[in-house]
Amino acid sequence: IAGITQAPTSQILAAGRRMTLRCTQDMRHNAMYWYRQDLGLGLRLIHYSNTAGTTGKGEVPDGYSVSRANTDDFPLTLASAVPSQTSVYFCASSEEGSSYNEQFFGPGTRLTVL
Amino acid sequence: GQNIDQPTEMTATEGAIVQINCTYQTSGFNGLFWYQQHAGEAPTFLSYNVLDGLEEKGRFSSFLSRSKGYSYLLLKELQMKDSASYLCAVLDSNYQLIWGAGTKLIIKP
Repeated sequence: IAGITQAPTSQILAAGRRMTLRCTQDMRHNAMYWYRQDLGLGLRLIHYSNTAGTTGKGEVPDGYSVSRANTDDFPLTLASAVPSQTSVYFCASSEEGSSYNEQFFGPGTRLTVL
Repeated sequence: GQNIDQPTEMTATEGAIVQINCTYQTSGFNGLFWYQQHAGEAPTFLSYNVLDGLEEKGRFSSFLSRSKGYSYLLLKELQMKDSASYLCAVLDSNYQLIWGAGTKLIIKP
């Protein structure tokens, strides 16, 4: 089934721990994105990648890192989690970056940092 | 700064029509998107407007006025399954999406 998968679905994490959120798409989209969604706020872009091998910073990149070794995978790493990183994280992809292409979203990862 | 404004919550009756407004102030404009997000689920694409005017797609229509920095999403013949949040997002001069906080639409029988 074509689409985007994310893992884990949810996670409770102790502050200071390292955590990697996984994202995989099988639509051969060039561009991928990581957003966080917090109550009362719009989706905020953390990092993006317009093509394999390149990444860029979004609106709220601090405390997060990404890599794009191939077209399909775009993991997001929290090096040392803090409670303010408690959020729902969505991975998305689009055919091309820097364009009007619609974005397709994964089901999200609900992360709680204690 | 960049800003997208939408009402926080709206209530409408099954079978009726509802209009959800969105105003924006962004650095550049390369189009406006509407997404639907059911509770606990991912956003899904509804519409994209880059030129002024009305785009109709079944029961949903989206309008854009670039000179006024204004858009609306019109939902007709409301059904209970339309209960969801509706997200307005603008593609700015850097081709990054700036998102509004969303409008939670509650449909009553």
